[in-house]
Amino acid sequence: AQKVTQAQTEISVVEKEDVTLDCVYETRDTTYYLFWYKQPPSGELVFLIRRNSFDEQNEISGRYSWNFQKSTSSFNFTITASQVVDSAVYFCALSEWETSGSRLTFGEGTQLTVNP
Amino acid sequence: ETGVTQTPRHLVMGMTNKKSLKCEQHLGHNAMYWYKQSAKKPLELMFVYNFKEQTENNSVPSRFSPECPNSSHLFLHLHTLQPEDSALYLCASSPVAGGLENIQYFGAGTRLSVL
Repeated sequence: AQKVTQAQTEISVVEKEDVTLDCVYETRDTTYYLFWYKQPPSGELVFLIRRNSFDEQNEISGRYSWNFQKSTSSFNFTITASQVVDSAVYFCALSEWETSGSRLTFGEGTQLTVNP
Repeated sequence: ETGVTQTPRHLVMGMTNKKSLKCEQHLGHNAMYWYKQSAKKPLELMFVYNFKEQTENNSVPSRFSPECPNSSHLFLHLHTLQPEDSALYLCASSPVAGGLENIQYFGAGTRLSVL
């Protein structure tokens, strides 16, 4: 069955530190998509990135970067030079067809606190 | 601003009340979703609507009744709720349902407290 595990429940760092949020997924499908969302205290989930299972290239967007490794079923998210505004809950999610008809399966989230 | 607006942002209701949550999207999407987010739990998908038709009901109790009059609006009617229904209710939309690659865009949610 599909599953997304975010083992880090809470992470606390000091501003300007780099931080990596881990995401491990389980799926039997060969075609799937992975997502990261950010949920700030205001509540809405903000889409950050989508990656398909055939594209293992790492991606960088400003201070954000993502490392997708199919060999370890991981899709980790790194924030470089963290800022207080990065404080939020971050969710990793999986979309697959064969098993769940493209329903999004979310991990339990990682609460990131960036202290000044 | 994600283009998905939910009202009210906060709601307190007694177990015998009837209330409704509203969601409106301005993204031209055809699929809309209701999720429940409880403390310490992953997001739970409740309902999916595609082109105004309900395509998924994830074993949600009948005290939650969704309504989708058009592709831009989604309601969740609440009746005789239980304290364990207290949670953040999130609405989302996407171009269509059933697309692997679809990005779902979320509203800010309604924080519901049932007394």
